[in-house]
Amino acid sequence: SQQGEEDPQALSIQEGENATMNCSYKTSINNLQWYRQNSGRGLVHLILIRSNEREKHSGRLRVTLDTSKKSSSLLITASRAADTASYFCATVPNSGGSNYKLTFGKGTLLTVNP
Amino acid sequence: NAGVMQNPRHLVRRRGQEARLRCSPMKGHSHVYWYRQLPEEGLKFMVYLQKENIIDESGMPKERFSAEFPKEGPSILRIQQVVRGDSAAYFCASSPGSLQGKSGQPQHFGDGTRLSIL
Repeated sequence: SQQGEEDPQALSIQEGENATMNCSYKTSINNLQWYRQNSGRGLVHLILIRSNEREKHSGRLRVTLDTSKKSSSLLITASRAADTASYFCATVPNSGGSNYKLTFGKGTLLTVNP
Repeated sequence: NAGVMQNPRHLVRRRGQEARLRCSPMKGHSHVYWYRQLPEEGLKFMVYLQKENIIDESGMPKERFSAEFPKEGPSILRIQQVVRGDSAAYFCASSPGSLQGKSGQPQHFGDGTRLSIL
């Protein structure tokens, strides 16, 4: 089964810097989503990019998708201490019958130091 | 707070006991998804239910695990005769309608139940 794999596993930066996280996957997708998880909490949906899109922005977030390389990146600009969390990519398969079945990677733990 | 509500937040059981995890979806949502998260891992899909129907249970172990979403009340994930390997965080998500055949519909997650087996 396909699986998103995030890279790096952990990232530590200073407040104000940009953070870039990458995600690779294996099979054809309908869309790719990024979620954030604060320690001990559930997942919060951040942004969704469809397979026919190459780039998407939402506030300080920028997501790119390269379907030829089966990879995506999440850029957080001007990071804040409150951005400290684990970030997961999740893929939705390109089969209409099961596109509720999110497949998550292991996540990137981002630490933003004040 | 009209978000997805899961309880209990933490549950401790001894080996061989039963664990019952509850999930109340967001108001207006009739579709529920359960995921399991092992330490240092991403979430793994377990089961997808709508009211009184199991749509897809392909990610759920065939033995000891069951799920339901009755007409009235929360969705229940039930684990019988728990073993140490069942220790994990169990997350519920909901959506307003079926996501089958649709794209671009995020799922809304609860804060999870952390199950510890002694």
